[in-house]
Amino acid sequence: DVQLVESGGGLVEPGESLRLSCAASGFTVADAWMAWVRQPPGKGLEWIGRVNDGGTREYNPPLKGRFTISRDTSKNTLFLQMNSLNNGDTAVYYCTTTGGDPVAPQTTYWGQGTLVTVSS
Amino acid sequence: DIQMTQSPSSLSASVGDRVSITCRASQSIGFYSHWYQQKPGKAPKILIYRVSILQSGVPSRFSGSGSGTDFTLTISGLQPEDFGTYYCQQTHSIPVTFGQGTRLEIK
Repeated sequence: DVQLVESGGGLVEPGESLRLSCAASGFTVADAWMAWVRQPPGKGLEWIGRVNDGGTREYNPPLKGRFTISRDTSKNTLFLQMNSLNNGDTAVYYCTTTGGDPVAPQTTYWGQGTLVTVSS
Repeated sequence: DIQMTQSPSSLSASVGDRVSITCRASQSIGFYSHWYQQKPGKAPKILIYRVSILQSGVPSRFSGSGSGTDFTLTISGLQPEDFGTYYCQQTHSIPVTFGQGTRLEIK
């Protein structure tokens, strides 16, 4: 079964950086499209960006430059590096994937989410 | 960016009712329309992808239809466990975008 487990969230102060991890099992990260989606408390879903099976990355323009997606295929893990965090980045961050299914959307499978709180 | 506009923003319905939620894209998205259900404190769950394909394990009372810019999620025979917030999504263009959500309450 496809499983995604996010970690690395927590409380940070404005201006700080944080790196989230997403440990994948049940499929190979190198063969799948994977994405990050966030959801501020009580609000809707916002797509952050994705990496495809070839390693090409694309981002939501307002976040490009501050947020970077990477993957370690040897550890079957996806990462999200977030820099210069501000209050507006407070959200639950979800890791998602196709699970290697070439027809499935990149947001077919979801992790449980990790909460990032930016506050002084 | 492609805007996804859902309606209604909320609705209340009774068990057994037929419920429809619509989503309008600001430009054509082909068949790259998908639907999700989210319950409080949980991650979203995919219901329908590519307009009308039912995700494995999702009850057959859920169905999707539409084309171009207008899409509909229908629940035929509402069940108590169908409460939650429903989101449409397009993956036709970058950035991927979601509708604002429709909150469904069971009377």
